[in-house]
Amino acid sequence: DAKTTQPPSMDCAEGRAANLPCNHSTISGNEYVYWYRQIHSQGPQYIIHGLKNNETNEMASLIITEDRKSSTLILPHATLRDTAVYYCIVRVAIAAGNKLTFGGGTRVLVKP
Amino acid sequence: SAVISQKPSRDICQRGTSLTIQCQVDSQVTMMFWYRQQPGQSLTLIATANQGSEATYESGFVIDKFPISRPNLTFSTLTVSNMSPEDSSIYLCSVELVSYEQYFGPGTRLTVT
Repeated sequence: DAKTTQPPSMDCAEGRAANLPCNHSTISGNEYVYWYRQIHSQGPQYIIHGLKNNETNEMASLIITEDRKSSTLILPHATLRDTAVYYCIVRVAIAAGNKLTFGGGTRVLVKP
Repeated sequence: SAVISQKPSRDICQRGTSLTIQCQVDSQVTMMFWYRQQPGQSLTLIATANQGSEATYESGFVIDKFPISRPNLTFSTLTVSNMSPEDSSIYLCSVELVSYEQYFGPGTRLTVT
């Protein structure tokens, strides 16, 4: 599995955009980039995923560089409820299913 | 999306005993997964649960310790056998939809004394 590198923590101001970086320099051509977040004591929550193109949904935007070696998750207007651990994951497709390998993630604290 | 429930939500068990955790999803899914999250750690995949066949275990996890059943496309169980305090963790199931999105259950918080 391609490894991902994320900063261990970051602070964001409420109401401002939060930009979460992720490096995945060894990603293969058929591997997707996934983002999840885990709010304290809850199961991880799916946010977004992408292969090559930038993606946007109601929660966030995902910007993937042209060489696919890094990506950025953008929370457009961070709220206090966005405080969580954010995981960037590169998914490898295998015959029996699609494994998600979780790294350490980025602990995001949204401050008033 | 998918709605996933787990039972029990938490339990305190004595060492040497076993606990079976149930995972129910509100739609038929092909793949279900079981994860463990030890205190202060990230998630680790235990196994992939395939309907109608044996589960596929990750390195470091064995069937005798973590037997899994997958009797149909909406249900799975994970048993933690012969528990020790090191098994104290949150156990989570997840499902993958045809859109390649994976959704997680709320988790089962297990404490072994």
